[in-house]
Amino acid sequence: KAGVTQTPRYLIKTRGQQVTLSCSPISGHRSVSWYQQTPGQGLQFLFEYFSETQRNKGNFPGRFSGRQFSNSRSEMNVSTLELGDSALYLCASKVSDTQYFGPGTRLTVL
Amino acid sequence: AQRVTQPEKLLSVFKGAPVELKCNYSYSGSPELFWYVQYSRQRLQLLLRHISRESIKGFTADLNKGETSFHLKKPFAQEEDSAMYYCALLNYGGSQGNLIFGKGTKLSVKP
Repeated sequence: KAGVTQTPRYLIKTRGQQVTLSCSPISGHRSVSWYQQTPGQGLQFLFEYFSETQRNKGNFPGRFSGRQFSNSRSEMNVSTLELGDSALYLCASKVSDTQYFGPGTRLTVL
Repeated sequence: AQRVTQPEKLLSVFKGAPVELKCNYSYSGSPELFWYVQYSRQRLQLLLRHISRESIKGFTADLNKGETSFHLKKPFAQEEDSAMYYCALLNYGGSQGNLIFGKGTKLSVKP
């Protein structure tokens, strides 16, 4: 099976803009989670979607949102970007409590 | 609060030496713990999961509930083991479960 894919791989935005990241899970996996990875805070959970419903959310401001489509693909959106949003955003699909990660999208906010 | 601590940011050993990457956790329930590895320019990948009790690439990890630890061990390190290692705890927290990661330990195996 193909692994988790994420697009785009790299993104450069300026403060105040918004951005949308996309994730396609492993075929047959219905759960998608998003994590933010930064040098200072490490890996932090953003949210999880299952069957188009958000069922778990981490401690991030409302500027971070997401959604899941009927084919299990997921998008996350960050509005009003701040410099501190620069990070690697990882998506993971899950089965039996084991998460399989994508390569990530590297977001740089200037 | 649920927490995972990896006390060493960097661990440097010589090839053939034993390796132990430390992980301590704080969790009120029965923990489910994982080790993930990230090789240079590769994605984060599962190394092992404590409930499977298997050995992957020569690594093992034993859950010690008394010491709340889940240390990763390998008797003889290889240069290809050089990578970032993350310990993670599955947090159910009233919901469906997400991973709480430690800050990671960078393992460097010298020739």
